[in-house]
Amino acid sequence: GAVVSQHPSRVICKSGTSVKIECRSLDFQATTMFWYRQFPKKSLMLMATSNEGSKATYEQGVEKDKFLINHASLTLSTLTVTSAHPEDSSFYICSAAMPSVGNEQFFGPGTRLTVL
Amino acid sequence: KNQVEQSPQSLIILEGKNCTLQCNYTVSPFSNLRWYKQDTGRGPVSLTIMTFSENTKSNGRYTATLDADTKQSSLHITASQLSDSASYICVVSATGTASKLTFGTGTRLQVTL
Repeated sequence: GAVVSQHPSRVICKSGTSVKIECRSLDFQATTMFWYRQFPKKSLMLMATSNEGSKATYEQGVEKDKFLINHASLTLSTLTVTSAHPEDSSFYICSAAMPSVGNEQFFGPGTRLTVL
Repeated sequence: KNQVEQSPQSLIILEGKNCTLQCNYTVSPFSNLRWYKQDTGRGPVSLTIMTFSENTKSNGRYTATLDADTKQSSLHITASQLSDSASYICVVSATGTASKLTFGTGTRLQVTL
């Protein structure tokens, strides 16, 4: 149990385009999902907390208009990187909190975004 | 400020050898501490989770210890295998903020022949 998937696993896009990343909890319902960014050889950095049916809460320094988050259902959250630039290239990881185990977070496999 | 520090930053060991990774934290009030394994290009996978009252917890060849008084934890890997090569991340959560995790910077372990 507690499987979280992300799609796509890798994406390469041109500068100025938008990219959508999906995060799904496959075998449980998650009222809260999280989006992280990870730079090479660094640890995960929380970008935003996403609650089903409400607006996401963004961490300081994260542009909400740049990184659009939608949590439309209890099993799906999406992160859209709008007007992507090379500096947005990174490894994006989502996690889903499982209420039945004290909201422990289960992480997805990550999405490697490369902006040319 | 809540912080988690790990040492060493990186480590190279021979296959079959044991190793111990360290984690010091200043997260308060403490709720639990987790060790994750992260393979390159993958998401973190939980190895152990320890609460305040637990001193030791094992998961196969992985054994985690926790000293809540000194705010230190260790992860001991026994009889290392090539597949153990990964980053090991110590993550601490504070009471009342189960959703907000404080991540260590990780230890990059390389197991060689």
